[in-house]
Amino acid sequence: DVKVTQSSRYLVKRTGEKVFLECVQDMDHENMFWYRQDPGLGLRLIYFSYDVKMKEKGDIPEGYSVSREKKERFSLILESASTNQTSMYLCASSLSPLGSNQPQHFGDGTRLSIL
Amino acid sequence: GNSVTQMEGPVTLSEEAFLTINCTYTATGYPSLFWYVQYPGEGLQLLLKATKADDKGSNKGFEATYRKETTSFHLEKGSVQVSDSAVYFCALRKKTSYDKVIFGPGTSLSVIP
Repeated sequence: DVKVTQSSRYLVKRTGEKVFLECVQDMDHENMFWYRQDPGLGLRLIYFSYDVKMKEKGDIPEGYSVSREKKERFSLILESASTNQTSMYLCASSLSPLGSNQPQHFGDGTRLSIL
Repeated sequence: GNSVTQMEGPVTLSEEAFLTINCTYTATGYPSLFWYVQYPGEGLQLLLKATKADDKGSNKGFEATYRKETTSFHLEKGSVQVSDSAVYFCALRKKTSYDKVIFGPGTSLSVIP
């Protein structure tokens, strides 16, 4: 089974801090994703990556950056955390190539609170 | 553009009732369609999928049929259990981009004994 592991289930940080959320997958997937999930808004794509050192902006990239130095690891960075970034963050991975019907596999999520 | 619409929740059913959660989509071409489930406190899990018209996906008693003519992928289960209480997301994957999946807003289901 595919395993996507997010480093923390719950995290509390302060406004202005630099926050790192880590995600690791063990199935050699090319694609990795970061979403945030908020009540009434569903899942919104922040960033994704389809290869090492590659990244693409999703629908709401403002205030975030990402890093993918190794294929199995995809990090989400909040450069200067703000209260409106309090949310559930979900990491996912999937196989390529283009046109594949492979689904995304999700981690259990990190519930981040910014005080 | 491409989008997914789901019925508004929350949905509350008694145990052993019949479940339908409606999902319709807008997309060019022939996307792959998915249902994901999110149990409380967890991430999303793939429930079932269909990749072409008239395909039926099924898993754990749930079924959904890819209807190209009505652009729908409704989720059904004949007899729900308390353990089916979760949020259900309909999603599509375009076959012409780098694996960008579009999710519906989710439908919350509560099953009461």
